[in-house]
Amino acid sequence: GENVEQHPSTLSVQEGDSAVIKCTYSDSASNYFPWYKQELGKGPQLIIDIRSNVGEKKDQRIAVTLNKTAKHFSLHITETQPEDSAVYFCAASIDSNSGYALNFGKGTSLLVTP
Amino acid sequence: KAGVTQTPRYLIKTRGQQVTLSCSPISGHRSVSWYQQTPGQGLQFLFEYFSETQRNKGNFPGRFSGRQFSNSRSEMNVSTLELGDSALYLCASSLFPEETQYFGPGTRLLVL
Repeated sequence: GENVEQHPSTLSVQEGDSAVIKCTYSDSASNYFPWYKQELGKGPQLIIDIRSNVGEKKDQRIAVTLNKTAKHFSLHITETQPEDSAVYFCAASIDSNSGYALNFGKGTSLLVTP
Repeated sequence: KAGVTQTPRYLIKTRGQQVTLSCSPISGHRSVSWYQQTPGQGLQFLFEYFSETQRNKGNFPGRFSGRQFSNSRSEMNVSTLELGDSALYLCASSLFPEETQYFGPGTRLLVL
């Protein structure tokens, strides 16, 4: 089945710096790659997503890049702020005859220090 | 537009009991998926429902079951609870199965 690896597991940056989180996936049939942010006591919140027919997508300070050949995708957060501190999850879709699901990475705990 | 709602938010049960969790999707969304989140295993897929049909099931024992109603609301049931079932159970809804999933706040289950 699909396997999603996410690195690093923890990341500490200073306010204003950039943060990069990387994920790799194993199933070449995966075609949808969302990123979620989860704050303490809350459910995951979608922050950005990308489909396999696009190489890069940007939304203000957040960007995602996808390399289908290498089967990896990355989240880039620029000009980090303390409120960016949270756990970030990447995911890859699995869409087969038996149904649809998201397979998640283990998460990256991001800490932005003032 | 209201988000995904899950009830109850917190639950304490003892081993051997059963539990039912409820999920109300975003209005108009017809697909509901369930995930289990634990510190050790992370987010793991449980089930996917669309139009009252279970289309996909993750690698969980038969003690875990679910259903979806005609109004798209969904329930999941865990029978004969084990200590290892303690987790945050998350429900996500989408317009259709391959569309963006939006998560609820989860139900935190503690099994003693």
